[in-house]
Amino acid sequence: QKEVEKDPGPLSVPEGAIVSLNCTYSNSAFQYFMWYRQYSRKGPELLMYTYSSGNKEDGRFTAQVDKSSKYISLFIRDSQPSDSATYLCAMSTNAGKSTFGDGTTLTVKP
Amino acid sequence: DTAVSQTPKYLVTQMGNDKSIKCEQNLGHDTMYWYKQDSKKFLKIMFSYNNKELIINETVPNRFSPKSPDKAHLNLHINSLELGDSAVYFCASSQAGTGTDTQYFGPGTRLTVL
Repeated sequence: QKEVEKDPGPLSVPEGAIVSLNCTYSNSAFQYFMWYRQYSRKGPELLMYTYSSGNKEDGRFTAQVDKSSKYISLFIRDSQPSDSATYLCAMSTNAGKSTFGDGTTLTVKP
Repeated sequence: DTAVSQTPKYLVTQMGNDKSIKCEQNLGHDTMYWYKQDSKKFLKIMFSYNNKELIINETVPNRFSPKSPDKAHLNLHINSLELGDSAVYFCASSQAGTGTDTQYFGPGTRLTVL
């Protein structure tokens, strides 16, 4: 079993929709939770990170961490075609090594 | 002013050949990584170096040999290439393996083994 699992994808939504991307994990030592965005034929870029449980908001993006359920989410409000990309969740312990989940490819249709 | 650069961007080669991929970062980071990304977009860490010292060596065939001449460079040499080595290889760097471990990725090298 992988340490980090994501909801099945890919995902296709109309412009303006609310998007929910989710990952579950098994290692309770994870303290840092990241979401990376990867455009086609590019390297991943850090989108948001959260320490421990709670929510973090940045514009149209909200990251949520529920450590009791070992579940993290990324919400995108008012999705735009420019949000079309692959989204990867990643987690790390205090030791720093990141573990990535499979990417979810999102397509936002105009 | 590219932060993390890799060469080449595309590599097409025959089975059995030996090839190298080069990576350089100008961010002043202490830690560099090699990842392999498969068709499902799963990023699997292969190696990590901190200040030229190997700190992570995941279960990778010994045909793969990383080399770090200095902390700004981490190259990957692959011997006797196999069909299953076809993937996109990403180099990344971060500042000292702290918890946040924000990683900066290169553009990737798309390797195709025929």
